[in-house]
Amino acid sequence: GAVVSQHPSWVICKSGTSVKIECRSLDFQATTMFWYRQFPKQSLMLMATSNEGSKATYEQGVEKDKFLINHASLTLSTLTVTSAHPEDSSFYICSARAGTFYQPQHFGDGTRLSIL
Amino acid sequence: TQLLEQSPQFLSIQEGENLTVYCNSSSVFSSLQWYRQEPGEGPVLLVTVVTGGEVKKLKRLTFQFGDARKDSSLHITAAQPGDTGLYLCAGALLQAGNNRKLIWGLGTSLAVNP
Repeated sequence: GAVVSQHPSWVICKSGTSVKIECRSLDFQATTMFWYRQFPKQSLMLMATSNEGSKATYEQGVEKDKFLINHASLTLSTLTVTSAHPEDSSFYICSARAGTFYQPQHFGDGTRLSIL
Repeated sequence: TQLLEQSPQFLSIQEGENLTVYCNSSSVFSSLQWYRQEPGEGPVLLVTVVTGGEVKKLKRLTFQFGDARKDSSLHITAAQPGDTGLYLCAGALLQAGNNRKLIWGLGTSLAVNP
């Protein structure tokens, strides 16, 4: 149980395009979803927290107009990287949590984004 | 300022050796979690410790939460190549309004050589 599916797992695109990443909780309802960015062999950097049906809360230094987050249902959140540039290349990971903070976060397998 | 210091950052050892990873903070955490992540995958939760002084064992892995709930350690006995990966600690920090935020350590990249 508690499976989080992230899609796509790998995407390569040209500079200037927008890329959408999906995060789905397959067997539970995720009231809260988190989006992280991770550089090689480094820790997770929280980008934003989203609760179903409300606007995402972005961490300091994360451009909300650059990284659009939508959490329209209890099983789906999307991250759109708008007008992507090479410096946006990274590993993006989502996690989902059911209920309150005391419930664990379940992570997707990440999306490797490469901008040429 | 890094609220949760994790050390060592990199560790390369031979199969059969023991190792310990530390997470330290000046902040008190309501709980602390340890994750393991393999390349190209998301982190997988290993354990959550909640009570000060708590010790949990998971096969060859022993997790300890400090008495003051400010630090934690992960000890691996007789490491095997399959233990290779990135180990992450994450502490739950109580914030205003009874909210909690997960604070992540910088990670320990472990390589166990056969």
